[in-house]
Amino acid sequence: QSALTQPPSVSGSPGQSITISCTGTSSDVDGYNYVSWYQQDPGKAPKLMIYDVTKRPSGVSNRFSGSKSGNTASLTISGLQAEDEAEYYCSSYSSISTWVFGGGTKVTVL
Amino acid sequence: QVELQQSGPGLVKPSQTLSLTCAISGDSVSTNTVAWNWIRQSPARGLEWLGRTWFRSKWYNEYAESVKSRITIKPDTSKNQFSLQLKSVTPEDTAVYYCARDNDQQPVSYYVDVWGKGTTVTVSS
Repeated sequence: QSALTQPPSVSGSPGQSITISCTGTSSDVDGYNYVSWYQQDPGKAPKLMIYDVTKRPSGVSNRFSGSKSGNTASLTISGLQAEDEAEYYCSSYSSISTWVFGGGTKVTVL
Repeated sequence: QVELQQSGPGLVKPSQTLSLTCAISGDSVSTNTVAWNWIRQSPARGLEWLGRTWFRSKWYNEYAESVKSRITIKPDTSKNQFSLQLKSVTPEDTAVYYCARDNDQQPVSYYVDVWGKGTTVTVSS
């Protein structure tokens, strides 16, 4: 069982916006602004999409955005495209176990 | 551009030691604003942080409680790499193992940014 809770799946039509939630505790998400989001294609390593809750690495589309309220962080993908279909994981620094992760959310583009 | 190149066997027998190495290019294992991590992924346990090593005037290690009694992570400054050893493995240790860098600019910033390609390790006789 993963430390952070994500919905198993989210779907949307091309052009729509979707949001993935990530719920933690006061030891991780609610305690620090060090939430990251990763995109993972099958057989590949995770790719950093968002870090420090809201920041985007160079080269990541501005269609990806992050936010946080209390113990829940969120990743929003705007203008959904077929290439966005992948598994998405949240992660947070944790005072208990350094880095904790969510169980992953499968994004399907309808 | 930082890249991490993993190496090591893909099959380990139960009760033996799993050993993997992660060679670093584009950065130094001794950089004092990063740490070098091992993370694994399996269908049963998802993504699981195992431990890390870092240099801040001296070397430090930190390990997950779930593997603390069995794990060693060591830097090798002569080869600019770091390694993972996990002793007394069982089939539950079967997973894809990743090495990864975390970027520590606390309190401003803190995140895992660079990942190796992953090594699939199967524990089986």
